[in-house]
Amino acid sequence: GAVVSQHPSRVICKSGTSVKIECRSLDFQATTMFWYRQFPKQSLMLMATSNEGSKATYEQGVEKDKFLINHASLTLSTLTVTSAHPEDSSFYICSASGIGFTGELFFGEGSRLTVL
Amino acid sequence: GQQVMQIPQYQHVQEGEDFTTYCNSSTTLSNIQWYKQRPGGHPVFLIQLVKSGEVKKQKRLTFQFGEAKKNSSLHITATQTTDVGTYFCAGYFGSGNTPLVFGKGTRLSVIA
Repeated sequence: GAVVSQHPSRVICKSGTSVKIECRSLDFQATTMFWYRQFPKQSLMLMATSNEGSKATYEQGVEKDKFLINHASLTLSTLTVTSAHPEDSSFYICSASGIGFTGELFFGEGSRLTVL
Repeated sequence: GQQVMQIPQYQHVQEGEDFTTYCNSSTTLSNIQWYKQRPGGHPVFLIQLVKSGEVKKQKRLTFQFGEAKKNSSLHITATQTTDVGTYFCAGYFGSGNTPLVFGKGTRLSVIA
């Protein structure tokens, strides 16, 4: 099956610092990757859609300068939370769709960010 | 914007009882997918329905897509403790690069 690996799984940082989260498709080429944010016991909130080699498309209300997304290759996308603040603490999950599949998404394990 | 409404938000059942979660859209869906997220885990793809009126089964799970392709349901027969988790429906509207739209999910608790 298709595997998406996300790293780190947990990160704690100080307020004002930046954190980078990586999302890799291990055994398929991910033409499109999606980044979500999930608050405890709540649904998935789509933050942005990224296609390899092009700029990410951000959902309304998501600050693109705060949540930098890079999709440099068909197997790697990164989300950088810049100048993190406590309110950025959340569970961030990536997902990917790829060549040879019929539109289903494969999710990474998620990254729990805690900003002190 | 386009939304997928999902109910109920929570469901508590005794082990062995049946469980159903429903999704509804005001506009026609190209297809609908279902995902399961275990507590502390990440969503895992269960199934995709594409055809009007389609019914698919996976052991004790039955998935239906409405005739008008605006609603869907997931029914679990004789729930087990391993069924615990949040079930999300997610629909595609149109084609191309429109992102999947997720429902808010139904959190299932199973009491042994």
